[in-house]
Amino acid sequence: QVLLQESGPGLVKPSQSLSLSCNVSADFMTSGSFYWHWIRQPAGKTLEYIGRVSTSATSAHGSTYNPSFWGRVTILADLSKHQFSLKMNFVTAADTAVYYCAVQRVPSLPGRSFNFWGQGAKVTVSS
Amino acid sequence: AIHMTQSPSFLSASVGDRVSITCRASQPIGRELEWFQQKPGEAPTVLISASSTLEGGVSSRFVGSGSGTDFTLTINGLQAEDSAIYYCLQNYNDYTFGQGTRLEIK
Repeated sequence: QVLLQESGPGLVKPSQSLSLSCNVSADFMTSGSFYWHWIRQPAGKTLEYIGRVSTSATSAHGSTYNPSFWGRVTILADLSKHQFSLKMNFVTAADTAVYYCAVQRVPSLPGRSFNFWGQGAKVTVSS
Repeated sequence: AIHMTQSPSFLSASVGDRVSITCRASQPIGRELEWFQQKPGEAPTVLISASSTLEGGVSSRFVGSGSGTDFTLTINGLQAEDSAIYYCLQNYNDYTFGQGTRLEIK
């Protein structure tokens, strides 16, 4: 069973940056090729896809983002630390949500996306 | 971007009933659709992928069907533990979730 664990501040001030990390169980991150995703869910609402970074066993590759977040988010991976990260700039109250990290094997089975999820990290944007 | 229209938003049914939830994609997505179940305070868990492939360990009471733009999740023989919110997800072009269906067991 792969473990993903989000970490980061639970409270961020408006206009500042939100930074979260997702720690991955040892050795899994370098065991093959993957997409590492961030997804969020405001309270009482549906899930919203943020973006992903791809990695091979030895290096991180490109990131892609939901156009709704273009220019405001950066997703990076650090294989040596077994983690990947999300940075979201210029946050507002609308960014208050539970943020999930998730992983997808590459190649994945047809029609299959996220293989494992973290438990989620609640982030509140408030002054 | 592909938009997913999920209905109904709320369902109330009794133990033993059969219920259906539908998702319609704004453009054809083949069979690139998954169904997730989410219980309070938990991350979603996948029930069905590729429209109709049951995930390992998931009860055969959950049945997925559809292709193109129209998809259905049917839950047969409802049990109390099926009380949850259900989401569809298209993964044909990026990823888009439906708005969710809250299922209440009377």
